[in-house]
Amino acid sequence: DAGVIQSPRHEVTEMGQEVTLRCKPISGHDYLFWYRQTMMRGLELLIYFNNNVPIDDSGMPEDRFSAKMPNASFSTLKIQPSEPRDSAVYFCASSQTGTVYTDTQYFGPGTRLTVL
Amino acid sequence: QKEVEQNSGPLSVPEGAIASLNCTYSDRGSQSFFWYRQYSGKSPELIMFIYSNGDKEDGRFTAQLNKASQYVSLLIRDSQPSDSATYLCAAKPSGGYNKLIFGAGTRLAVHP
Repeated sequence: DAGVIQSPRHEVTEMGQEVTLRCKPISGHDYLFWYRQTMMRGLELLIYFNNNVPIDDSGMPEDRFSAKMPNASFSTLKIQPSEPRDSAVYFCASSQTGTVYTDTQYFGPGTRLTVL
Repeated sequence: QKEVEQNSGPLSVPEGAIASLNCTYSDRGSQSFFWYRQYSGKSPELIMFIYSNGDKEDGRFTAQLNKASQYVSLLIRDSQPSDSATYLCAAKPSGGYNKLIFGAGTRLAVHP
């Protein structure tokens, strides 16, 4: 089975532009997580979904960030307008409800975002 | 605030030695714990999980859990240069959902 798929892998944009990051979770997984990783702040949980419903978006830094999950196989994270401080690696991860054996989160390859 | 604390390192060990990575957590209700390895420029990948007090072994890796002390550790025996990476400790907090709280990670350097 394919792992978590993210696109694009790299994104370079200019301040003020809209950025959309995409994620396809592992088939059958009912949880989807969006993380941001920087050297200064480490791995931060931004938002997560269960069965396509947002459960906790308290990690979203501000209103410029939004996330959607229209179906079980697709999610987007949008930044509008983007700022240089948004430069980071954004990871998507998925997991499956159940025992601890299936609580494991599987990470996608990440999107490296650079905002100039 | 539920937290997971790790020493950022770097932890430097010679090839063939035992590397010991440590982690503490604040949420006493946490039930399961995970160790992820992250190579530079790559995504985190699971090494092991543990949910019972004591030791759990998998090849060269041993995870140790002490819930009374709220302490988790990862031992890497016969360390290899290929083990050089950042190791992230994570805890599943109480509360019923599948989210994990990650520590900041410990950077391990294994030198020949």
